[in-house]
Amino acid sequence: AQKVTQAQTEISVVEKEDVTLDCVYETRDTTYYLFWYKQPPSGELVFLIRRNSFDEQNEISGRYSWNFQKSTSSFNFTITASQVVDSAVYFCALRAFFSGTYKYIFGTGTRLKVLA
Amino acid sequence: EAQVTQNPRYLITVTGKKLTVTCSQNMNHEYMSWYRQDPGLGLRQIYYSMNVEVTDKGDVPEGYKVSRKEKRNFPLILESPSPNQTSLYFCASSLFPDSPYEQYFGPGTRLTVT
Repeated sequence: AQKVTQAQTEISVVEKEDVTLDCVYETRDTTYYLFWYKQPPSGELVFLIRRNSFDEQNEISGRYSWNFQKSTSSFNFTITASQVVDSAVYFCALRAFFSGTYKYIFGTGTRLKVLA
Repeated sequence: EAQVTQNPRYLITVTGKKLTVTCSQNMNHEYMSWYRQDPGLGLRQIYYSMNVEVTDKGDVPEGYKVSRKEKRNFPLILESPSPNQTSLYFCASSLFPDSPYEQYFGPGTRLTVT
């Protein structure tokens, strides 16, 4: 089965705290891609990162970092020194070959609230 | 500017009144898709299209139709909307069906069916 699980429905932190959003996926594909998207209160979906299944190097972009571990099928997202502007719903997604076609499967999202 | 546009952005309608939500992209993308977003359920794929005249069902296609007569346009049609189709709808596109690239999303259409 192809599945993405974001077990944290909602997280609240105080500004400047670090926070990690969890993403666990299931797939039988050996080649697949993982994504994170941000949905701010304005509603649009903003692409954050893409990672392929052969690249397990962690990635850092400013205050954002991603930890990809194939051994645990996880692709977690950490925000360092969170800011109020980070308040949003964050979606993890998997792109894999499934039932004869490529499909994107999204998790249910994690709502992050950063309090001033 | 590279973008995916959707119209209308907001729509309130009544049960049974046919409606169309338009989607257009200017990036010459082959792959286009429609999703609905509901609280607690994330984004679920309704229909997708690999190229012109090639469409297929996603995970929740019941009550929806699509067409892909031109590469840039991918309208979503609700022939007889019902209240359970009240949702936030997103159109998305990406370069090729088998490419690893991310999807570009439209701004969303919030539909209310009373």
